[in-house]
Amino acid sequence: EDKVVQSPLSLVVHEGDTVTLNCSYEVTNFRSLLWYKQEKKAPTFLFMLTSSGIEKKSGRLSSILDKKELFSILNITATQTGDSAIYLCAVEAGGAQKLVFGQGTRLTINP
Amino acid sequence: DVKVTQSSRYLVKRTGEKVFLECVQDMDHENMFWYRQDPGLGLRLIYFSYDVKMKEKGDIPEGYSVSREKKERFSLILESASTNQTSMYLCASSSGPLAYEQYFGPGTRLTVT
Repeated sequence: EDKVVQSPLSLVVHEGDTVTLNCSYEVTNFRSLLWYKQEKKAPTFLFMLTSSGIEKKSGRLSSILDKKELFSILNITATQTGDSAIYLCAVEAGGAQKLVFGQGTRLTINP
Repeated sequence: DVKVTQSSRYLVKRTGEKVFLECVQDMDHENMFWYRQDPGLGLRLIYFSYDVKMKEKGDIPEGYSVSREKKERFSLILESASTNQTSMYLCASSSGPLAYEQYFGPGTRLTVT
């Protein structure tokens, strides 16, 4: 059975801190790994990773994939209160378009 | 911008009622999905559809059915609602083979009492 596990499930830090969110997976026919940010409503796409060792970066957010060890990390530097959200990791595996999601990490940034 | 809308943000139903959750997308996407989201469990795929009148079971289809009579609309049906179906329901749509291009609706928080 395909499985995606995120850790920690919940994290509370102070504004300005750097955080690292983890995502490990066990799936058949891996195609890609995706990170989403979910505030109050719909998840919004952050990154798609398909190749090991290549960092994707967008402002203060970055992510990298290790296909040998089957995990990915999402880093956020100089956190702001607007980064407070649930961060979702998903893996596209098996048939095209089908995503397997992890439990999500609820990140809270305190001023 | 792609827009995915869901018929209700909040819904309260009684046990045993038949419940319809509607999802409409305005970008002519072929693929549509229904997920439920529960704390500690993440998003789980209930059903999906690659084309009109086509449907595929996801990981947790029990207790649910779907209908896709038109390309833009994908309905999730709870034939006889139960309390364990209290959850947040998210609809998504996409076009083409790239999974990351799933656009999500705002969600419907369903409470079954």
